[in-house]
Amino acid sequence: EADIYQTPRYLVIGTGKKITLECSQTMGHDKMYWYQQDPGMELHLIHYSYGVNSTEKGDLSSESTVSRIRTEHFPLTLESARPSHTSQYLCASSLPRDSNEQFFGPGTRLTVL
Amino acid sequence: GQQVMQIPQYQHVQEGEDFTTYCNSSTTLSNIQWYKQRPGGHPVFLIQLVKSGEVKKQKRLTFQFGEAKKNSSLHITATQTTDVGTYFCAGPRWKTSGSRLTFGEGTQLTVNP
Repeated sequence: EADIYQTPRYLVIGTGKKITLECSQTMGHDKMYWYQQDPGMELHLIHYSYGVNSTEKGDLSSESTVSRIRTEHFPLTLESARPSHTSQYLCASSLPRDSNEQFFGPGTRLTVL
Repeated sequence: GQQVMQIPQYQHVQEGEDFTTYCNSSTTLSNIQWYKQRPGGHPVFLIQLVKSGEVKKQKRLTFQFGEAKKNSSLHITATQTTDVGTYFCAGPRWKTSGSRLTFGEGTQLTVNP
């Protein structure tokens, strides 16, 4: 089992609140990713990082922001949550090569009321 | 940009029937990966194909990579209820900052006992 963790697993929050979704991995992977996924639907890459102090936006525009101050930690922040942000957020990590598999965390299921 | 397309989007089978999902890329891929996501779970890496025309088997699962390295398939023989889930293919996409995976839309498999 991969050592990548996400907290919280479930979050129900009101509109306008600031939230931070945590993601940590203990595998020493340089690459980390955030995906947004509605139930049973495709994975949308919203942020990725190739290493410390490296972050880039993904394919799907997102109002969230990320930071990568430490290799093992890649938190995602929403400054002001809205109902349209309701979704599952999956964090993943991999070794540097493009052929390396991605290890996914269990996900955070976010509901914004 | 590079797209990875998967068909069918949904597949319902009776237990014991075979199942196939197809993945097509608009560009040649250096490799292709397959993931399985159980309902309520997170994607889990199944396999990677690298060589043109490569065929790999995992018990009842057979994975193929096309000769032109632009398409791939996953075939399950004699499905079981444990095969239920969404199957994603993914290929690397290159950006100036490096590569990352592009996931197909996924095929949701349901198996009636």
